[in-house]
Amino acid sequence: DAGVIQSPRHEVTEMGQEVTLRCKPISGHDYLFWYRQTMMRGLELLIYFNNNVPIDDSGMPEDRFSAKMPNASFSTLKIQPSEPRDSAVYFCASTPRPRSGNTIYFGEGSWLTVV
Amino acid sequence: GQSLEQPSEVTAVEGAIVQINCTYQTSGFYGLSWYQQHDGGAPTFLSYNALDGLEETGRFSSFLSRSDSYGYLLLQELQMKDSASYFCALSSVSSASKIIFGSGTRLSIRP
Repeated sequence: DAGVIQSPRHEVTEMGQEVTLRCKPISGHDYLFWYRQTMMRGLELLIYFNNNVPIDDSGMPEDRFSAKMPNASFSTLKIQPSEPRDSAVYFCASTPRPRSGNTIYFGEGSWLTVV
Repeated sequence: GQSLEQPSEVTAVEGAIVQINCTYQTSGFYGLSWYQQHDGGAPTFLSYNALDGLEETGRFSSFLSRSDSYGYLLLQELQMKDSASYFCALSSVSSASKIIFGSGTRLSIRP
């Protein structure tokens, strides 16, 4: 299995530009999570989906952030407009059944720098 | 809500044993997990405790005490490659599969 695939791996963009991060979860995993990691705030859960439906988006920082999952094999996290404080590593993760302790599989992350 | 607390840094000597603690606050959860993250890498799963007690996986063991709202990760026979950040995580009953992570403990190992 190829694992969780994220793109781009690195992105540098100017403040005000739109950023789109992409994720392909592991086939058969019903849950998909988007996390943001910074030195100051650690690993923050932004939003998660179950069977392509957003379940909890309470971690999304503000309206500039949006996430979609149009099908079981693809999700996007969009920031519009981007700001320097959005600079972070964004991880996508998937799992078949989180409640019983199934492993959460993380992608390699998208390293975003907004200048 | 729920929260998990960990020490920010721990230092140990190669070959020794180290314990990384995690205290949590939650109204109910399914179990406590541990993840390892090397610099520049992604978190990877290490261990999971659904019940109180000790779970052993090779050099790594994890412990949970629900009555004390406390768990720990024990690393034995430390190797230099164990230098990494370690996170505890839980899935809250009240939040329908929402998985949150502690702030992480950076483990530094000296020769």
